[in-house]
Amino acid sequence: AQSVAQPEDQVNVAEGNPLTVKCTYSVSGNPYLFWYVQYPNRGLQFLLKYITGDNLVKGSYGFEAEFNKSQTSFHLKKPSALVSDSALYFCAVRGDGGSQGNLIFGKGTKLSVKP
Amino acid sequence: EPEVTQTPSHQVTQMGQEVILRCVPISNHLYFYWYRQILGQKVEFLVSFYNNEISEKSEIFDDQFSVERPDGSNFTLKIRSTKLEDSAMYFCASSEAGLPEQFFGPGTRLTVL
Repeated sequence: AQSVAQPEDQVNVAEGNPLTVKCTYSVSGNPYLFWYVQYPNRGLQFLLKYITGDNLVKGSYGFEAEFNKSQTSFHLKKPSALVSDSALYFCAVRGDGGSQGNLIFGKGTKLSVKP
Repeated sequence: EPEVTQTPSHQVTQMGQEVILRCVPISNHLYFYWYRQILGQKVEFLVSFYNNEISEKSEIFDDQFSVERPDGSNFTLKIRSTKLEDSAMYFCASSEAGLPEQFFGPGTRLTVL
């Protein structure tokens, strides 16, 4: 069965410090991996994706994510957190990696960045 | 920047009533989706739609649900006879042909009393 795990319900970081939000996945075939962010009363906003190629992908707002095939992980990172990064972050994987199919989401991780 | 829009933002209905949730996908996108998020739970896929037909649906998407693209811009989700457990945030999404990332609307919060 295909699944996404985000092991942390909440991550707390001080402003200016690096942040990591963890994600592991299980999927048949090659994964298409995504990160989305949700601010209060807003929809899911696309941050970045991994399809193929370089394991380190860069996205919006200074975020990046590292694909690790052996560990089946796709952790979200940012070198220097901002208070405005505080939001709910969702990792997602494409169902079969080969078609324009549905996304399978993790349960989300709440990021709290304190001044 | 083009966005997916959804109306209404909040819908309250009585159990057994029909509701229609509306979405306007990004204009050059060809693939459309509905997802839902029950409070405190994961975002779950309901259905995908392409070329005027359902291309994939989950087991949640039973006979009570239907989707339609009534014109060139709108994409609707109908729930025929709502149940209490249909209370959730419903997200519409769309994607461009050949690109895997989906762009989501702000959601419609459905409350079934």
